[in-house]
Amino acid sequence: KAGVTQTPRYLIKTRGQQVTLSCSPISGHRSVSWYQQTPGQGLQFLFEYFSETQRNKGNFPGRFSGRQFSNSRSEMNVSTLELGDSALYLCASSGGTEPGNTIYFGEGSWLTVV
Amino acid sequence: GQSLEQPSEVTAVEGAIVQINCTYQTSGFYGLSWYQQHDGGAPTFLSYNALDGLEETGRFSSFLSRSDSYGYLLLQELQMKDSASYFCAVNTGFQKLVFGTGTRLLVSP
Repeated sequence: KAGVTQTPRYLIKTRGQQVTLSCSPISGHRSVSWYQQTPGQGLQFLFEYFSETQRNKGNFPGRFSGRQFSNSRSEMNVSTLELGDSALYLCASSGGTEPGNTIYFGEGSWLTVV
Repeated sequence: GQSLEQPSEVTAVEGAIVQINCTYQTSGFYGLSWYQQHDGGAPTFLSYNALDGLEETGRFSSFLSRSDSYGYLLLQELQMKDSASYFCAVNTGFQKLVFGTGTRLLVSP
């Protein structure tokens, strides 16, 4: 069974540009969430989608957005990139809706903003 | 809001036992999870405590005390491959995790 797949793995963008990151969850998983990881702030929750609906949102500016498609694949978008957006962006999926369900992470997309 | 504090670094030798603590301030959560992350890798689920007490999974055990706002991860029979970062996290609803500050474990021969 394939794990959570994220693309691209590495990318470099210029300040002011926008970026779209893609995530394919584990087959059969309908919950997809996104996290940002930086050395200074650690792992922070961005948002979560279930059946194409956003169920939870973290404390990030509106420049960060996401969506989920009918096949559970998800994308997140960051517009007007800032240097501080340089981070590892992690996607995670879960097969159930209960809080105790195991959450599986992908290896992430490394974004560098220059 | 929620905050979870962990020691920044712990060192131990192969074969030893190490405990990584997690103290938290949170208004409410469903359970406490532990994740392992090797450099450049994905966080990997280790253990989950929905209730107070000890949960054992092989060499790893996790403990939660809601009355003390405290939890820990216990790693036994340490191996070199256990060198990684370890994060505690509380689940605050659906699949939303609030992570701790992380502990870097260094295992030496």
